[in-house]
Amino acid sequence: DSGVTQTPKHLITATGQRVTLRCSPRSGDLSVYWYQQSLDQGLQFLIQYYNGEERAKGNILERFSAQQFPDLHSELNLSSLELGDSALYFCASSVSLESSPLHFGNGTRLTVT
Amino acid sequence: GQQVMQIPQYQHVQEGEDFTTYCNSSTTLSNIQWYKQRPGGHPVFLIQLVKSGEVKKQKRLTFQFGEAKKNSSLHITATQTTDVGTYFCAGASGYSTLTFGKGTMLLVSP
Repeated sequence: DSGVTQTPKHLITATGQRVTLRCSPRSGDLSVYWYQQSLDQGLQFLIQYYNGEERAKGNILERFSAQQFPDLHSELNLSSLELGDSALYFCASSVSLESSPLHFGNGTRLTVT
Repeated sequence: GQQVMQIPQYQHVQEGEDFTTYCNSSTTLSNIQWYKQRPGGHPVFLIQLVKSGEVKKQKRLTFQFGEAKKNSSLHITATQTTDVGTYFCAGASGYSTLTFGKGTMLLVSP
């Protein structure tokens, strides 16, 4: 058990809809990362937050947004969903800003129909 | 931007054979990390290498960081069926976020 909690585990929704994925980092970790994993695409970095502030952005679409709350949990909002957004979304946390090891949650599998 | 290439993409071995996956970065790295993702699971941190030429071992797994800090390898001796999964390397330069390779999927037949 990594200590990172992600909900929900599975999400099935229709194109055009909006969903919110939730992540609670490991106790003591201030940094939260969101990754998208599709078949053949490996782990695509979306965005990073540190202690409530956005620190780095990767290949995150404008239809996607995220935030980290004062209690350090984070939410990833995906809107105007398209079929191609179907993927496994992982949240990971780490202790610091420097490239310390990442602890991944179990992921949320999103299916857009 | 920084790119991390990993080869091979896929390897199928017989139990007992050795396995190696290679990782190459387009830029010099401050550190490299290795993760393992079992089928249906999430990536799990294995190890971090920081020093040029560093070699670390974990039982049957040997990790190396190149002298120029631009490449790395993971070698598994005498694979077992429990080694099945996808192995990812991830590199970072300074305070940059980790860039993951696309991973090497290892299948081990008994």
